[in-house]
Amino acid sequence: DTEVTQTPKHLVMGMTNKKSLKCEQHMGHRAMYWYKQKAKKPPELMFVYSYEKLSINESVPSRFSPECPNSSLLNLHLHALQPEDSALYLCASSQPFSGNTIYFGEGSWLTVV
Amino acid sequence: GQQVMQIPQYQHVQEGEDFTTYCNSSTTLSNIQWYKQRPGGHPVFLIQLVKSGEVKKQKRLTFQFGEAKKNSSLHITATQTTDVGTYFCAGSVDSSYKLIFGSGTRLLVRP
Repeated sequence: DTEVTQTPKHLVMGMTNKKSLKCEQHMGHRAMYWYKQKAKKPPELMFVYSYEKLSINESVPSRFSPECPNSSLLNLHLHALQPEDSALYLCASSQPFSGNTIYFGEGSWLTVV
Repeated sequence: GQQVMQIPQYQHVQEGEDFTTYCNSSTTLSNIQWYKQRPGGHPVFLIQLVKSGEVKKQKRLTFQFGEAKKNSSLHITATQTTDVGTYFCAGSVDSSYKLIFGSGTRLLVRP
């Protein structure tokens, strides 16, 4: 069982909707991540938060807006998405040091219609 | 840019046969991690290798990190149907948080 929990597990949204993906971890990790994974492809890094501050944004479109309310929580706010944004969105966490093991949540399957 | 290539892309084996996937980086890695993702699942951490030439074993799985820290391999002895999934290597460079994922090797096992 993963110690990184994500909700919802499945989400269908229209292109004009606003929704949020949520992630929580209780491992005391101070780095949290959002990854996007398309079918049969490796995970692609979107954002990294370290000590609740955004440290990496991989040139992600502004229709994706991350938020880290505290050290255990990470949100991804979604607005005006496109059908090509449909994917598995994975949250992950680790200790905030280079090379530390990254633990993934089970993911949120997003479909944009 | 930094790239991690992984081969083969896909392998279909008979249960009991061995399986190996290879990972090659264009740059020296500070460490490499291996993940397994079952169909419909999420990546699950298997192991991390840090030292040059390091070899680690987990039951039927053997992981190696090359001497130059640019390549790695995962070998499964006597595959079982429970080994089905996609195996990803992922490396990090210097002090970066960014894990560079290989393209993955999808393993299917015929019972």
